[in-house]
Amino acid sequence: GIQVEQSPPDLILQEGANSTLRCNFSDSVNNLQWFHQNPWGQLINLFYIPSGTKQNGRLSATTVATERYSLLYISSSQTTDSGVYFCAVDGATDSWGKFQFGAGTQVVVTP
Amino acid sequence: DAGVIQSPRHEVTEMGQEVTLRCKPISGHDYLFWYRQTMMRGLELLIYFNNNVPIDDSGMPEDRFSAKMPNASFSTLKIQPSEPRDSAVYFCASKLAGVWEQFFGPGTRLTVL
Repeated sequence: GIQVEQSPPDLILQEGANSTLRCNFSDSVNNLQWFHQNPWGQLINLFYIPSGTKQNGRLSATTVATERYSLLYISSSQTTDSGVYFCAVDGATDSWGKFQFGAGTQVVVTP
Repeated sequence: DAGVIQSPRHEVTEMGQEVTLRCKPISGHDYLFWYRQTMMRGLELLIYFNNNVPIDDSGMPEDRFSAKMPNASFSTLKIQPSEPRDSAVYFCASKLAGVWEQFFGPGTRLTVL
């Protein structure tokens, strides 16, 4: 099945800093989503972005499908951005319907 | 619109007991997914349904786990008998046919003592 790798595994930021999280995947995808899992465990949809660029407030994401990676940008980070960020993909070939999650990036934003 | 609804939000039970987790997908969604999140294995797909029919249950860990979807607005995931290693957060998600984006419920945190 499709492989998903996220980097870095951990990130510590000072409030106000910018950061970039990366998601690499091993095959063509029909779907790629970024999620934020908050400290209460809820999975929050950030972006549905199988290709292209999207922005939502201080967050933006870019997926370059031909090169099989996606980037999540956090600008002017706030303590509420702390949590785990997951990338998940739905492969276009043999893994249709099987949403595969990466291991996540643990982000801690300090005041 | 209401999102995906799961109940209970927290469940604590003793080894050997039957556990039933419940999910109500977003109205009109044709697909329903059950996921499990553990420290060791991360987030993994257990089973998914299309129009109430199970399509792929290859992620169900063993026969103690079963899932049903009796109608378009309700699904259950049952563990019988439960074991301490089943302790995890169980998420339900749904999506519309022809649209790839999945929407997740708040999860049920299960603790088996």
